[in-house]
Amino acid sequence: DVKVTQSSRYLVKRTGEKVFLECVQDMDHENMFWYRQDPGLGLRLIYFSYDVKMKEKGDIPEGYSVSREKKERFSLILESASTNQTSMYLCGEGLRGQPQHFGDGTRLSIL
Amino acid sequence: AQSVSQHNHHVILSEAASLELGCNYSYGGTVNLFWYVQYPGQHLQLLLKYFSGDPLVKGIKGFEAEFIKSKFSFNLRKPSVQWSDTAEYFCAALMNRDDKIIFGKGTRLHILP
Repeated sequence: DVKVTQSSRYLVKRTGEKVFLECVQDMDHENMFWYRQDPGLGLRLIYFSYDVKMKEKGDIPEGYSVSREKKERFSLILESASTNQTSMYLCGEGLRGQPQHFGDGTRLSIL
Repeated sequence: AQSVSQHNHHVILSEAASLELGCNYSYGGTVNLFWYVQYPGQHLQLLLKYFSGDPLVKGIKGFEAEFIKSKFSFNLRKPSVQWSDTAEYFCAALMNRDDKIIFGKGTRLHILP
């Protein structure tokens, strides 16, 4: 079974803090993704990576950056957290052209 | 622009009712289609997928979906729903074997016992 592990289920941070969300996959797949999920808006792609040290912007990259130093790990970074980044963050992984598998999500609150 | 539209944001049904959730995509080329389900407090999981061949695909838990190319649609169906089907359902598409899956905004399904 594919396993996608997100480092935290719940996280509370303060405005202006630098926030790191970690994601690890155990399938040695090329593609990894970060989404945010908000009620009524579905899943919106923030960034994705198709190889180590490679990254592509998704639909809503502003205020975020990513890091992929190893194939199994994909990190999402909020450079200076703001209240409008309070959301559920989902990490996904998969092979090109194939459906993705997802982690349990991190519910992030920015106070 | 490529997009996926789900017709209903919130659906309420009684147990044993039949279900159909609408999904349309906007893209004229090759497309792979998916339905995902997210049960309360759980991660997103794949319900079924269409790549090619028989346009009627069967998934887990008695769900099926029909790909109608002329209508750009991929509607999800279940003949008789159960209370445990209460969840949020997402239609998604991979267009032209791209890397990125495009998701619809989701449909919250609430089944009354």
